[in-house]
Amino acid sequence: ILNVEQSPQSLHVQEGDSTNFTCSFPSSNFYALHWYRWETAKSPEALFVMTLNGDEKKKGRISATLNTKEGYSYLYIKGSQPEDSATYLCAFSGSARQLTFGSGTQLTVLP
Amino acid sequence: DSGVTQTPKHLITATGQRVTLRCSPRSGDLSVYWYQQSLDQGLQFLIQYYNGEERAKGNILERFSAQQFPDLHSELNLSSLELGDSALYFCASSVAPGGNYGYTFGSGTRLTVV
Repeated sequence: ILNVEQSPQSLHVQEGDSTNFTCSFPSSNFYALHWYRWETAKSPEALFVMTLNGDEKKKGRISATLNTKEGYSYLYIKGSQPEDSATYLCAFSGSARQLTFGSGTQLTVLP
Repeated sequence: DSGVTQTPKHLITATGQRVTLRCSPRSGDLSVYWYQQSLDQGLQFLIQYYNGEERAKGNILERFSAQQFPDLHSELNLSSLELGDSALYFCASSVAPGGNYGYTFGSGTRLTVV
């Protein structure tokens, strides 16, 4: 059973704060790491797909980094806004080429 | 609209019954995945199809089965339903299998077994 761990489980920040969360995954047999944003009552939406060690991706105020050797990825949100409130999921793809999801970090941005 | 269509959106049925959930993938996507999200659980992978063929199986119960048809839509069949099968069932699609491409998720089918 693959272990994909996300921390923290939940996070409350003030509008304008920058924040980051962690995704830990197996460092062997790495193929890809995905980040998804999941708003309440909607379906998960892909943010990033990263495949190379040292990858950095950016979309607006959100960015992600990848370290496959040590098995972690960080997601950063700069200047959080209330509309960033969502659950952020990471998912690991290994040699079996299936996505195993973490249980997510629930972010609440307070106005 | 993500382009992945799931029907029905909600389903209430009794224990012991059988239901079919349907998914139409985004245009051009050949891979379909089914996930289950139970209360307080993350997304659990059930099964994957690619261009009509089963590619991978996850934690799918023997009472559950799925298939992908020539037009690429997929159906998930759940039989002998138990209370514990109540969950949100998501379908997702991608261009190809393997994890190199992001998944596009449907809006899910909420199944309630009473």
